[in-house]
Amino acid sequence: GNSVTQMEGPVTLSEEAFLTINCTYTATGYPSLFWYVQYPGEGLQLLLKATKADDKGSNKGFEATYRKETTSFHLEKGSVQVSDSAVYFCALVNTGNQFYFGTGTSLTVIP
Amino acid sequence: KAGVTQTPRYLIKTRGQQVTLSCSPISGHRSVSWYQQTPGQGLQFLFEYFSETQRNKGNFPGRFSGRQFSNSRSEMNVSTLELGDSALYLCASSLGAERTDTQYFGPGTRLTVL
Repeated sequence: GNSVTQMEGPVTLSEEAFLTINCTYTATGYPSLFWYVQYPGEGLQLLLKATKADDKGSNKGFEATYRKETTSFHLEKGSVQVSDSAVYFCALVNTGNQFYFGTGTSLTVIP
Repeated sequence: KAGVTQTPRYLIKTRGQQVTLSCSPISGHRSVSWYQQTPGQGLQFLFEYFSETQRNKGNFPGRFSGRQFSNSRSEMNVSTLELGDSALYLCASSLGAERTDTQYFGPGTRLTVL
């Protein structure tokens, strides 16, 4: 079946620290992979995506590379800001256009 | 371009009642999906509609139903509400039905069942 496992939070970092949120997946075939972010009181916003192996998605300083050999899509940012505080969700879409989400990782960045 | 809109944003109901939630997708988008988000279960897929047809359904009881209209707007209905139905219900739209299409989420409807 299809599933996504991401590191549990909460994660607390100081401003300008390096961020990594691990995400691994299980899927048949060739899924598309996504990172969504949810700010307090808001819906999900697409952060970045990758649709095939070795693709790198990037946006707002965040990056993630689709690694088929390790079935991973880890999220990274070199220098986090207070405004990055949110919940981050890793997700995959396989055939049928159905999203499978990880449980979410809460990030708090302190000044 | 306007984003996905959901109405109402907040709803309070009592057990046994029924509720209808509405979702207006981004103009031109033909696929609409619904998700339930709770602290305990996370985000769970309810169903997906494309061109007025339900293409996929998640593992929810028959009390949860939906439909899509010819203008792509979608409604979701929950009958005989239970306390456990309290959740944030998210709607997402995408241009087509390909797995590479990005889904854009609305702000959600917060349903509280008393």
